[in-house]
Amino acid sequence: NAGVTQTPKFRILKIGQSMTLQCTQDMNHNYMYWYRQDPGMGLKLIYYSVGAGITDKGEVPNGYNVSRSTTEDFPLRLELAAPSQTSVYFCASTPIGLANEQYFGPGTRLTVT
Amino acid sequence: DAKTTQPNSMESNEEEPVHLPCNHSTISGTDYIHWYRQLPSQGPEYVIHGLTSNVNNRMASLAIAEDRKSSTLILHRATLRDAAVYYCIPRIGTFSGAGSYQLTFGKGTKLSVIP
Repeated sequence: NAGVTQTPKFRILKIGQSMTLQCTQDMNHNYMYWYRQDPGMGLKLIYYSVGAGITDKGEVPNGYNVSRSTTEDFPLRLELAAPSQTSVYFCASTPIGLANEQYFGPGTRLTVT
Repeated sequence: DAKTTQPNSMESNEEEPVHLPCNHSTISGTDYIHWYRQLPSQGPEYVIHGLTSNVNNRMASLAIAEDRKSSTLILHRATLRDAAVYYCIPRIGTFSGAGSYQLTFGKGTKLSVIP
């Protein structure tokens, strides 16, 4: 199993541009998450999904959109990028269960200038 | 959500035991205590979790106070690879809606290991 994979690893965007961060997991997990981590801070939840076709907002959803058309994929869309979205983005997944661990991808480092 | 308090940073000598404390005095009876760590430039990785009893796995041990208001992650012999930020995260143990499995990360404890 590759686990959770994310592309790209790095990206520089200009203000106002858009992009999609890709996330794929091959563990057949139902739950998937997007987090962002600003320098020196903990992770904050952007969006999550409990299965194909079902998504919901986390703590910091403004400026982002998600979709979940398959169990494996959970892309994060940035529209009209702003400098405040400069961050490292992590995707994670977990199987259904009461106390299961989350599996994280390696992250995408995004800079908006 | 239960709030946690962890020291900002700790140091340990290589091959010595490390005790990382976490205070979670507002934890509810059904919250599990999870520990994750984040190595430099990597995503977080699961370390261990527990509810009431002390727990051991190949990575670490988790000691939970009898009143569950605090816990301690124990690394038995710190190695250079253990240098990371360690996060203590209470997480709900009973399903109460679609968002109930999300993790809330604080700033964690940055562990430095001295050779």
